[in-house]
Amino acid sequence: QSALTQPASVSGSPGQSITISCTGTSSDVGTYSLVSWYQQHPGKAPKLMIYEVSKRPSGVSNRFSGSKSGNTASLTISGLQAEDEADYYCCSYARSSTYVVFGGGTKLTVL
Amino acid sequence: EVQLLESGGGLVQPGGSLRLSCAASGFTFVGYTMSWVRQAPGKGLEWVSGISGSGTNTKYIDSVKGRFTISRDNSKNTLYLQMNSLRAEDTAVYYCAKDPYGDYTGWFDPWGQGTLVTVFS
Repeated sequence: QSALTQPASVSGSPGQSITISCTGTSSDVGTYSLVSWYQQHPGKAPKLMIYEVSKRPSGVSNRFSGSKSGNTASLTISGLQAEDEADYYCCSYARSSTYVVFGGGTKLTVL
Repeated sequence: EVQLLESGGGLVQPGGSLRLSCAASGFTFVGYTMSWVRQAPGKGLEWVSGISGSGTNTKYIDSVKGRFTISRDNSKNTLYLQMNSLRAEDTAVYYCAKDPYGDYTGWFDPWGQGTLVTVFS
């Protein structure tokens, strides 16, 4: 069982928007603004999409955005495209753990 | 361009040992904390271990403490993970990943392509 809770799967049609939630506790997501999101295509390494809750690295589309409320962080992808189909993982700095904890991952299907 | 290239994975029996390496290029290696993150087949990501730029501050998850040792050779721009007393549950792809700043900052960019460790009996 992962420390952070994500839905196992979400889906959306091209052009639509989807949101993936990531629920933690006051020991991680709720206290620290060190939530990050990673995209992973099959057989590939994870790629950073969002860091420090809502910041986008250079080169990441502005269709990706992040937010946080209480113990829950969220990743929103707007204007869904076929290439967005992938697994998405959230991650948070964690006081109760040695360093960071990950969510179990969410499989995004673009219909 | 920052590049991380892992090597050293393979097949090993329970109780055996392996040493993973991660060759870094494109940045001042000594200035950054580095981590190992693993992914069991069909499963999610799990942070395993981290080491500060100087090598003096190391961290491990509980399940590998006493069995795995992280180290680095800043003269060779290389990160290592010595894995002893391997168990079936250590089977995973192991990624090395760079912390964005000099200290433990809680996120990783970029990641290497990974190296597969399979512990079989």
